[in-house]
Amino acid sequence: DADVTQTPRNRITKTGKRIMLECSQTKGHDRMYWYRQDPGLGLRLIYYSFDVKDINKGEISDGYSVSRQAQAKFSLSLESAIPNQTALYFCATSVGGQGPGQGKLFFGSGTQLSVL
Amino acid sequence: GDSVTQMEGPVTLSEEAFLTINCTYTATGYPSLFWYVQYPGEGLQLLLKATKADDKGSNKGFEATYRKETTSFHLEKGSVQVSDSAVYFCALSDYGGSQGNLIFGKGTKLSVKP
Repeated sequence: DADVTQTPRNRITKTGKRIMLECSQTKGHDRMYWYRQDPGLGLRLIYYSFDVKDINKGEISDGYSVSRQAQAKFSLSLESAIPNQTALYFCATSVGGQGPGQGKLFFGSGTQLSVL
Repeated sequence: GDSVTQMEGPVTLSEEAFLTINCTYTATGYPSLFWYVQYPGEGLQLLLKATKADDKGSNKGFEATYRKETTSFHLEKGSVQVSDSAVYFCALSDYGGSQGNLIFGKGTKLSVKP
């Protein structure tokens, strides 16, 4: 089984709809992240959470919200989807601190979202 | 702010050719540097890293050396294989700065032909 699981893998929705993308992990990591990937733009950070009570905005948080329901679960919501939110969304996890694991993110397989 | 610039792709090579993907960075602190690889249909995975100047990261035949004087971290491989076809991302993390989150370049797509 995958260590970082994203659901759904693909989603097509309409403008104005609310949609939730879910992420769960079995790695026991405290830190979780949501990124979006657009062709030619690389990965951009939407939100990140260093523990259940610590949630922070990333580079492009407008139009998104998140919920850290438990250490293992971090969901991303689009309150009112718009077409320019069509992208590939990735959840990732990492250990904290500055030990050997620093900077090593573990990614899910992604959710391809299309907003019509 | 901190940023990463990598060469635009796509890069198309024949099998056994030499690969270089250029990456330069801008950072106010002392960043750690990373290369991530994304195979088709998958999430990114860490390929190699270097945490201080002159360090060399290596993995699976790939190498990159942290060059502070040129603010570069170029990825190299002496003989590429078809299985190396993927998108490669350079990234930095300035743990002396804010939260130490990764900043990614835009990615370089590599296609290796048999």
